[in-house]
Formats: sequence, structure tokens, C-alpha cells
Amino acid sequence: IQMTQSPSSLSASVGDRVTITCRASQSMNSYLNWYQQQPRKAPKLLIYAASNLQSGVPSRFSGSGSGTDFTLTISSLQPEDFATYYCQQTYTPPWTFGQGTKVEIK
Amino acid sequence: QVQLQESGPGLVKPSETLSLTCTVSGGSISSYYWSWIRQPPGKGLEWIGYIYYNGNTKYNPSLTSRLTISVDTPKNEFSLKLSSVTVADTAVYYCARVGTTTALGFDCWGQGTLVTVSS
Repeated sequence: IQMTQSPSSLSASVGDRVTITCRASQSMNSYLNWYQQQPRKAPKLLIYAASNLQSGVPSRFSGSGSGTDFTLTISSLQPEDFATYYCQQTYTPPWTFGQGTKVEIK
Repeated sequence: QVQLQESGPGLVKPSETLSLTCTVSGGSISSYYWSWIRQPPGKGLEWIGYIYYNGNTKYNPSLTSRLTISVDTPKNEFSLKLSSVTVADTAVYYCARVGTTTALGFDCWGQGTLVTVSS
């Protein structure tokens, strides 16, 4: 399954609402996860199974979607949220990641 | 709190075998799936494969012919071996816990280890 994220990068300001989209090449139920990666750090799980907030993750992060179209929303961007975000499907091997969306400071 | 730590050589010669071990501390390796992921410098994430604690494996088809993932439950660790490496295998290699089902995402990651393939 190919995962396509959009946009590849975006510039936003602190306090902005940010939406990142992930589209799968075939339907995959809700086996969709979102990760945040800071430079030179391991990825961190934000959302699992499309809409479930991982323990300890701030509530400004939310996920939605099913089938082939999924969305990660950051309701009010904070300074620590500037990072690269990846979607990932674990519906069927090979588990695949999107190409990433880099969120930069405007 | 579960912690994962990758270990192994940081430099491997072309055509040789890359070997890494992931040691799990603060929790048991049982009842979970465990995975390897890599990230070439400046690029995105690539899933390598997973192993269930009972030894069942699934590999990325692009690497299957060169890849072996194994688990040692008494030692609470799992390992990766990638043979016949080339410069294209240069990457940061991460190990991660998948969870008790594959729907739960990779909830715990090692810090990653850079492996460079060079003569």
C-alpha cells in the first residue's frame, strides 16, 4: 500500500490550526498511525488506529478518517510542534510510511 | 517504563553482513510484536520487518533475500542481520515495539544507531 502525504512541507505560525493529509492507494480500514519526528530524534507515536490519542500526547493533536483518506490536525500549533510528521499503515505488510510533512516556522 | 537500545557496529564494509541487536529493558519481550525501521540520511522512514515474540516474522519484500530477524526471549532481545550490504544500506537503524496487535502503532522506539557502509 502506497501512502501519500500532503503537503510535503508547510509554514505556519504559533497558534495556527494545521492539517496534514494522508491518502492510501487502497482501503485499509483504520490501521493508520501518525508519528512526529524532531531532528536527530526517534519518531514518537501521536495517533494510532486513525483517531486514538497515544497516552501522554497533548489533546491539541487529533486524527480522523477511514478507508483511504486520513487527517492529522494540530488545533493550535505550539513551538515544540515544529517537526516532521509521518503517517504509517499497519493494515498489511509491507507496512509503509508516507514521505513525511515538514512543519516549519513562518 | 520500557526502554529499547540498539547496539552493533557503526561501520560495515560493502558485501559484508550488518548485525544489530535491540535490548529491551523495563518490560518483557513476550506478547508483543517488535520491529526494525531504518532512515537513510536526510530521507524518510522505511519499515524493515517485524518479529512476534514467538518467532513469527514478516519482512519487507525489498529486503527479504538478505534479511534475518530473530528473537531471544530469555535475553529479552531481538536482532537483525542484513547480508551483502551496499552503500544504499547506510542509514539510522531503529528498533521499536509494535504493541500486542498491529493496530496499535509503534509505541516505543530505541534512540537509533547510524550504520555506515563504506570500505
